Amino acid sequence: ETGVTQTPRHLVMGMTNKKSLKCEQHLGHNAMYWYKQSAKKPLELMFVYNFKEQTENNSVPSRFSPECPNSSHLFLHLHTLQPEDSALYLCASSPSFPQGTSSGANVLTFGAGSRLTVL
Amino acid sequence: AQSVTQPDIHITVSEGASLELRCNYSYGATPYLFWYVQSPGQGLQLLLKYFSGDTLVQGIKGFEAEFKRSQSSFNLRKPSVHWSDAAEYFCAVGLNTGNQFYFGTGTSLTVIP
Repeated sequence: ETGVTQTPRHLVMGMTNKKSLKCEQHLGHNAMYWYKQSAKKPLELMFVYNFKEQTENNSVPSRFSPECPNSSHLFLHLHTLQPEDSALYLCASSPSFPQGTSSGANVLTFGAGSRLTVL
Repeated sequence: AQSVTQPDIHITVSEGASLELRCNYSYGATPYLFWYVQSPGQGLQLLLKYFSGDTLVQGIKGFEAEFKRSQSSFNLRKPSVHWSDAAEYFCAVGLNTGNQFYFGTGTSLTVIP
């Protein structure tokens, strides 16, 4: 596989369930990101990892718990979610920062997303 | 604070017509600028990017964009739209920290035969 792969593509869960979203990248990147996409809102950055270290936590509720065991894998563990957490969750990767690419800037490569519905 | 504005929520064009999608940004320095496209049920695909140099950049699928510093704009254009171009288009700004990106709310494009 190439690019950024997200599983599952669709997930329906109750408010008391525990589930996880998985992201895997085959691009040799060292930074990985979780974004939340809700209708008619800008993409919301949730978490950023650079070389497995978390560098950004954008005031995300603790019911979302990220895990980055290595530079190729990123998880988002979900627990006791609310209906308003229903959204498309996008994973992205990029070369490490701040070096980024040789041109000095970073480019995000996105996965296809995991559509989450919380009942 | 940094922000990206896409003033057009939805645009409808006829197949074969030209297209321009607007993007304005607010950032104190020269940003890195991107346009992404999202088809239904898919993630975001990079169309083109501007880092420096020539202010007119070419992208995939026949798209181009022009950076105008004086107007803080980075509008996306295509001379002749195809039905397969129907999608959601997002403008984004990247800061020179390398890990911070700001996205607009998107413009939904409908192409009519």
